[in-house]
Amino acid sequence: AQSVAQPEDQVNVAEGNPLTVKCTYSVSGNPYLFWYVQYPNRGLQFLLKYITGDNLVKGSYGFEAEFNKSQTSFHLKKPSALVSDSALYFCAVRLSYSGAGSYQLTFGKGTKLSVIP
Amino acid sequence: DTAVSQTPKYLVTQMGNDKSIKCEQNLGHDTMYWYKQDSKKFLKIMFSYNNKELIINETVPNRFSPKSPDKAHLNLHINSLELGDSAVYFCASSRMGGAYEQYFGPGTRLTVT
Repeated sequence: AQSVAQPEDQVNVAEGNPLTVKCTYSVSGNPYLFWYVQYPNRGLQFLLKYITGDNLVKGSYGFEAEFNKSQTSFHLKKPSALVSDSALYFCAVRLSYSGAGSYQLTFGKGTKLSVIP
Repeated sequence: DTAVSQTPKYLVTQMGNDKSIKCEQNLGHDTMYWYKQDSKKFLKIMFSYNNKELIINETVPNRFSPKSPDKAHLNLHINSLELGDSAVYFCASSRMGGAYEQYFGPGTRLTVT
């Protein structure tokens, strides 16, 4: 079965410190992996994705993620956290082709990031 | 120039009623989706749809039906609303193919009383 796990419900980090939000996955074949962010009372916003190529992927708002095939992980990172980064972060993995020209995503349960001033 | 829009933003209704949520995207995408986010923020795909094919998540009750008048719109109609339908519903769209990210609407918070 294909799945994605975010082991931490909440991550607290001081402003200016580096942050990491963890994600592990289980898929058959090559994974397509995504990170999204959700601010309160808003829809999800795409941050970055790994499809193929360089294991270090850079995305919006200074975020990056490292794909590690041997550890089946795709952790989200940022060198210096901002208070405005406080939000709910979702990791997602593409499922096998499901028809309708689409590849449905399955999401982790989300990690709440709190950046403390 | 909102990319994916939904109306209404809030919807409060009584059990047994029928309601619809509208979604429009101006990104020129071929594929649209409906997701349900429950009170614990867990996101679950309900439907994937393009102008040719509808994929229904097997756990979605048949009281839920997507309707697409054209490829820029995917509305969600819900019959005989139940208390357990209370959630936030998100519409999303993407280009066709697995490598493309999805763009989400702002959500519709449905409360069934």
